[in-house]
Amino acid sequence: GAGVSQTPSNKVTEKGKYVELRCDPISGHTALYWYRQSLGQGPEFLIYFQGTGAADDSGLPNDRFFAVRPEGSVSTLKIQRTERGDSAVYLCASSLKTSGEDTQYFGPGTRLTVL
Amino acid sequence: ELKVEQNPLFLSMQEEKNYTIYCNYSTTSDRLYWYRQDPGKSLESLFVLLSNGAVKQEGRLMASLDTKARLSTLHITAAVHDLSATYFCAVAPVGGSNYKLTFGKGTLLTVNP
Repeated sequence: GAGVSQTPSNKVTEKGKYVELRCDPISGHTALYWYRQSLGQGPEFLIYFQGTGAADDSGLPNDRFFAVRPEGSVSTLKIQRTERGDSAVYLCASSLKTSGEDTQYFGPGTRLTVL
Repeated sequence: ELKVEQNPLFLSMQEEKNYTIYCNYSTTSDRLYWYRQDPGKSLESLFVLLSNGAVKQEGRLMASLDTKARLSTLHITAAVHDLSATYFCAVAPVGGSNYKLTFGKGTLLTVNP
């Protein structure tokens, strides 16, 4: 079946602009995660959704970052007043549930470049 | 705070040779994942290890977990060029935040003919 999809694959923006990154999880997966991967690093946790609610947003770097999942499926990561330091690959993952041997399946990512 | 260290970070090996990648972590965990990432691509799940002494094998890759030593290994047997990629281990903490994976920095593996 279809995996996790993310759009756009690449986004170039100017400092100070607003961006939205979209994630479409695997059908039936209730848990959704956002991670950020900087060059040469492993992914870092940003936020976790169980259903429609953000169960843990402790990884969001500051209040310029916000994410929603209004119907419990597609999620949007929103970044206000972008800064050059926000440049990274933003990865979305989903899992069937969060307990047990749940594997998180990752999407292809959105490469964000802030000029 | 959970810390995950992988070594080596860079590994250049010849085909048909064997090698091991190590993943150490700092606090108690009972769930560890290995992922593969090809350049410009996303992460592909390889193994999930759930208990002390767990061993899983797929083709030329074998992963093991020692929760007492807080150590996982990814062993490569008779490497082939197709295994060239970056390999990440990721550790889930015990307790209520067990969804919050902490990743190592990755091991860039290059298999040369």
